[in-house]
Amino acid sequence: DQQVKQNSPSLSVQEGRISILNCDYTNSMFDYFLWYKKYPAEGPTFLISISSIKDKNEDGRFTVFLNKSAKHLSLHIVPSQPGDSAVYFCAASGRELRNYGGSQGNLIFGKGTKLSVKP
Amino acid sequence: DAGITQSPRHKVTETGTPVTLRCHQTENHRYMYWYRQDPGHGLRLIHYSYGVKDTDKGEVSDGYSVSRSKTEDFLLTLESATSSQTSVYFCAISDRDTGDAQYFGPGTRLLVL
Repeated sequence: DQQVKQNSPSLSVQEGRISILNCDYTNSMFDYFLWYKKYPAEGPTFLISISSIKDKNEDGRFTVFLNKSAKHLSLHIVPSQPGDSAVYFCAASGRELRNYGGSQGNLIFGKGTKLSVKP
Repeated sequence: DAGITQSPRHKVTETGTPVTLRCHQTENHRYMYWYRQDPGHGLRLIHYSYGVKDTDKGEVSDGYSVSRSKTEDFLLTLESATSSQTSVYFCAISDRDTGDAQYFGPGTRLLVL
């Protein structure tokens, strides 16, 4: 079962408008969430993160919102630019999960959403 | 950018042959990881290392082995490559914890014929 879900495989947005990428998770022990951006033929790049003690974190044009009760996070990009066109991965981890040993404390990634920003 | 290199960047091999991919870091980070990325699957963890000679399995470890004899190098070996191992392989590193932000290398594209 997928613990981190990105239900939209793709999203198309006009330049200058807001892009909203969504991510849902099922494991209530996750307490740290991250977004990565990936261009073709490159490795993923860390974009922004949020701890479960917060509900919002901003970095320039990028804002991540966390709704713990709904087990949902979203990445807002405002304004969107053509250079933002990429695949965006959501990831999650839980500090307590590391106590279970093995790979459970590692990052769990969603399948990604391909964002296309049209000029 | 984190100092992570992967070699080779591209490789074509035949079914049944052994293949070794190398990840090299200059950041002196404790944790290193190997992922594979496939359409419809996102990033899946193969193996990871939490120190020299300390490794553990990830989600999709069957058919793969790893070794870490130095802090800076993490090797991924496909003992006998199969077509299902055709993929893009990414190495990643992190410093404080396995659940912390990880920094990725540029990837190795492997085609098994």
